[in-house]
Amino acid sequence: KAGVTQTPRYLIKTRGQQVTLSCSPISGHRSVSWYQQTPGQGLQFLFEYFSETQRNKGNFPGRFSGRQFSNSRSEMNVSTLELGDSALYLCASSLASWLQDTGELFFGEGSRLTVL
Amino acid sequence: EDKVVQSPLSLVVHEGDTVTLNCSYEVTNFRSLLWYKQEKKAPTFLFMLTSSGIEKKSGRLSSILDKKELFSILNITATQTGDSAIYLCAEDYNAGGTSYGKLTFGQGTILTVHP
Repeated sequence: KAGVTQTPRYLIKTRGQQVTLSCSPISGHRSVSWYQQTPGQGLQFLFEYFSETQRNKGNFPGRFSGRQFSNSRSEMNVSTLELGDSALYLCASSLASWLQDTGELFFGEGSRLTVL
Repeated sequence: EDKVVQSPLSLVVHEGDTVTLNCSYEVTNFRSLLWYKQEKKAPTFLFMLTSSGIEKKSGRLSSILDKKELFSILNITATQTGDSAIYLCAEDYNAGGTSYGKLTFGQGTILTVHP
C-alpha cells in the first residue's frame, strides 16, 4: 500500500514568489491535513480538507491556501513568500469522516521550502 | 487552544540506557494522545492513548496516559543508536468542526543515542 506522497521534495524560492505543493494521500483516505514544521514553532496545523471541502483552518495568514480534488489529492499554495515561510511542509492523510474520530494521521515525507 | 508541552527538549544517552520522555497537555474535549517518531522527514506513528492507566507496548517502547494528572510518558528501554530521533507528542481533541484533522503537537524531544 503506497504511503502519502508529496512533491516536490525540495524547492528554493525568492521572496515575493509563490509556490504550490502537492500531496497524494493513501488510497482510500479522504481527509488531507497540512502542517508547517519549523525549528522554533514545531508542527503547526495549516488546514484540513475532506471531500473537496476545507473543514478546518489554522492560524495562518490568507497567503496560505489549499484545495482538494475529487480524487482526494490536495495542493497548498503560498503566495508572496516571506523568509519566515522557510519550513518543512508536511501533508497527512486519514480515513476520518465527520462521523468518526480523527484517528491516526499518516504523514508524507514533506516538502522542504527555502525562501531566499 | 490546548497546549502540549514536552520535556526534556533534548536528551543524550548511551546505548543500553533507559529513557523516559514526558508530555503534558491541557484538557478541553480531549479525545486521544498520540506519540510519533520523526527520524528524517515523515513522523511515524507509535501509540495512540485514550484510556488512563493502560500501558501500550511495542517492543522496547511503551507509553501510558494519566488523564487525572494530564500527562503521558514514553519509555524506551535498552536504547539503540537507531532510536535517535525527534519524539513528538500530540493531542487530538473533539471540538466538532474546528478539530477535523488537527493535532496539537508539542515541540518534541530530540533524543540522541551514542554507541
